[in-house]
Amino acid sequence: EVQLVESGGGSVQPGGSLRLSCAASGFTFSTYWMSWVRRAPGKGLEWVANIKQEGSAQYYVDSVKGRFTISRDNAKNSLYLQMNSLRAEDTAVYYCARPWNANYFDSWGQGTLVTVSS
Amino acid sequence: QVVLTQSPSASASLGASVNLTCTLSSGQSSYAIAWHQQQPEKGPRYLMKVNSDGSHNKGDGIPDRFSGSSSGAERYLTISSLQSEDEADYYCQTWGTGIWVFGGGTKLTVL
Repeated sequence: EVQLVESGGGSVQPGGSLRLSCAASGFTFSTYWMSWVRRAPGKGLEWVANIKQEGSAQYYVDSVKGRFTISRDNAKNSLYLQMNSLRAEDTAVYYCARPWNANYFDSWGQGTLVTVSS
Repeated sequence: QVVLTQSPSASASLGASVNLTCTLSSGQSSYAIAWHQQQPEKGPRYLMKVNSDGSHNKGDGIPDRFSGSSSGAERYLTISSLQSEDEADYYCQTWGTGIWVFGGGTKLTVL
């Protein structure tokens, strides 16, 4: 059974940093693209970032380019999201997700809440 | 740039059927989409992929009450024999080169 478990969320002031982690199990992590998706309060789902299997390519939504960095450690079956220069509008629940064949998200975690507030 | 349009809300009675619609932007009627369900306070759940020809493949454990279809630029999710646990937000999602896109979501209320 595929399991994705996020951690690292919390409260941070504007301009601060936070690093999210996602522990993956139940599948061969190194052979899949991986993603972060978020849902802000009162809003819908928004794709944030994707990373290729070996980490050689990353893609980001425009609103986080230059501030967020997605990375992975295939030896640890783990996905990360380093979030810098955080803004109030980054407040959301962040989900780790697996995009099947880099297309649709076929597995999801339960999410971790990030709150950016002074 | 692909855009997916969904009605913000829908409602139907317990035991009835409901059709949710996702409309692809102009020129993208050949795109496949995926449907996801998000129940209150839970992570999203993949329901199915719907191709432009109407064929679909469901995720593991998705009941037969859930089905998908297509017509032109529209992709549909049909839920029959509505149950209380079907009350949730439903999102369509598609993908392109270096971009993954969600529709705005439809909040389904089961009366």
